[in-house]
Amino acid sequence: GDSVTQMEGPVTLSEEAFLTINCTYTATGYPSLFWYVQYPGEGLQLLLKATKADDKGSNKGFEATYRKETTSFHLEKGSVQVSDSAVYFCALYSGNTPLVFGKGTRLSVIA
Amino acid sequence: DADVTQTPRNRITKTGKRIMLECSQTKGHDRMYWYRQDPGLGLRLIYYSFDVKDINKGEISDGYSVSRQAQAKFSLSLESAIPNQTALYFCATSVSGGRTNEQFFGPGTRLTVL
Repeated sequence: GDSVTQMEGPVTLSEEAFLTINCTYTATGYPSLFWYVQYPGEGLQLLLKATKADDKGSNKGFEATYRKETTSFHLEKGSVQVSDSAVYFCALYSGNTPLVFGKGTRLSVIA
Repeated sequence: DADVTQTPRNRITKTGKRIMLECSQTKGHDRMYWYRQDPGLGLRLIYYSFDVKDINKGEISDGYSVSRQAQAKFSLSLESAIPNQTALYFCATSVSGGRTNEQFFGPGTRLTVL
């Protein structure tokens, strides 16, 4: 079945450091891909998405590119801030089913 | 006002008690979901409903039941709560059709079973 694998955390970075959180997927067909973010004490919210190969999703300085050849959707940000501390979930949608989520990666950014 | 609301936000109960968690949405979405979140295990799907007459089991439905009372309401019940059901529970909604099935989440209910 469909699955998402993302790097295990926690990830701890200093403010202004470069962030990469890896995400790879297995799916039949051509899925849509997502990154969700969960800030402390809150529910998940959509951060960005991409619906086809080579699409780049972006929001709040975060970017991810849908790479069909490597079945990847890695999340990047050039300069993280303390306010980016959260749990990040990669997810996919490939048909008439619920989203499939990765296990989440906790990011802590220290000043 | 929040589009997806969950009640209660926090609940402490005892082993063996029946518990109901409620979810309401004003987004007009036809699809609704219940997830539980445990540290290190990410989100796991309990049940989902693609319309009022449709109920489907998810990855971890044992020990849980659901009711879709209306398009806007989806309740999760624990018939006899046990300590390993202590977790954070999320409701989510989405709309059918379209390419992405983007899901919108409620704020969560923190359940503790003693």
